[in-house]
This record gives sequence, structure tokens and C-alpha cells, in this order.
Amino acid sequence: AQSVAQPEDQVNVAEGNPLTVKCTYSVSGNPYLFWYVQYPNRGLQFLLKYITGDNLVKGSYGFEAEFNKSQTSFHLKKPSALVSDSALYFCAVRDIGNSNTGKLIFGQGTTLQVKP
Amino acid sequence: GAVVSQHPSWVICKSGTSVKIECRSLDFQATTMFWYRQFPKQSLMLMATSNEGSKATYEQGVEKDKFLINHASLTLSTLTVTSAHPEDSSFYICSATVFQGAGYGYTFGSGTRLTVV
Repeated sequence: AQSVAQPEDQVNVAEGNPLTVKCTYSVSGNPYLFWYVQYPNRGLQFLLKYITGDNLVKGSYGFEAEFNKSQTSFHLKKPSALVSDSALYFCAVRDIGNSNTGKLIFGQGTTLQVKP
Repeated sequence: GAVVSQHPSWVICKSGTSVKIECRSLDFQATTMFWYRQFPKQSLMLMATSNEGSKATYEQGVEKDKFLINHASLTLSTLTVTSAHPEDSSFYICSATVFQGAGYGYTFGSGTRLTVV
């Protein structure tokens, strides 16, 4: 079964410092991986995805993620954090399974707190 | 880009009444819609997958008679919480599959905060 793990409930970083939000996955076959951000009482906003190609994926708002097949990881990164980046971040993998429903399987989420 | 409009943004209802949440795809045809439930500071729990013109597929443990999903057209899917109770209070989010260039993506509604009193 496909699964995604975000080992950190919360990440704290000072504004201007680099940030990393960790994600590891377990899939059979090639993974389709996604990162989303959620602000309070809002839906999810797409940041980036990996399907194939370059391991370093660049996304919205200066975020990027590195696909590492040997470590089964897809960590989200940003060189310089902003206070406005403070939000809840979700890593997700597309479940192809046996039914190919295409549903997303989400990690438990990581709260990013950027302090001024 | 592909936009899903979800209404209402928030709703307060009395225990025992029913509430309908709508998700409309504004500029694309959503053949598949997913409905999620989210508790505070927790992950999204998939409730069901709906395909246009057919019955929804519910996840294990989700009461299909309580959470009625209709996907009668390619641009509209609805979730009706029937005989709502306080434990149904939650944040509900819809999502649609979108084909984006190199592969599939997903676009999400803005969510509905349901409070049952």
C-alpha cells in the first residue's frame, strides 16, 4: 500500500534562514509526489509535484523539493524563509494501487512556524 | 488554471438538520471529485470518490447514508450531511483531478467549515 510520512509535527525557523520540511514515501512503482500548503480555514494550494524527470523540482513561492529515490524522500525546501510561509504543509502521493482511482494519500502534515 | 468553487465557506446548523455542500468546477470538466474531512491541525481524511454519472465509492468506515454524494454533471458534485450531529462538525474539502501537461494534478475547493449546534 502507498503511504507518506512527515516525521515532524512542527518546524521552527527564523526568517531569512533556509527551511526544510521532510517527507518520505512508500510506493510500489514510480511515485507521483506532491506538496501542498494550507492556510487556516482554507483549502490546499499546490506548490509542486514530481512525476518524472529532474530530481530537483521547482515550484511556487520559491519552494523546491528534491526527489531521492534511494532514500525514498521528497523533502520540501526554501533557501530563505518568510514569515508569510508560516502554514500547514502536506506531502502527498497519488495512489494508483489496484484500482487506479487516482486518489491522493496525504502525510499527517507539518506546521511551519517562521519567526521574525 | 483549473478552479473548483466550493460553497458555502461556513455553515452553522441545528442538530438533526441536513446540510448541502457544493463544489463546482469553473473552467474544466471534473469527471472525478474527491471529498475529504479534516479535523483541526490534522491531515485530510478521504471520505469518498465520486465519478460523474455513477455512485460514489466510500472509504471504509464512512456512512454512505449519512454523507450523501451526488455527481450528476461534469461540473457539479455535492455532499449532503444528513441528520447532522455535533460530531459531524468539521472542515470539509473537495478536490478534482485535473490533467496538467505532464500528468495529473489536483485542484482543491476552499473548504467548508460545518458547525452543528
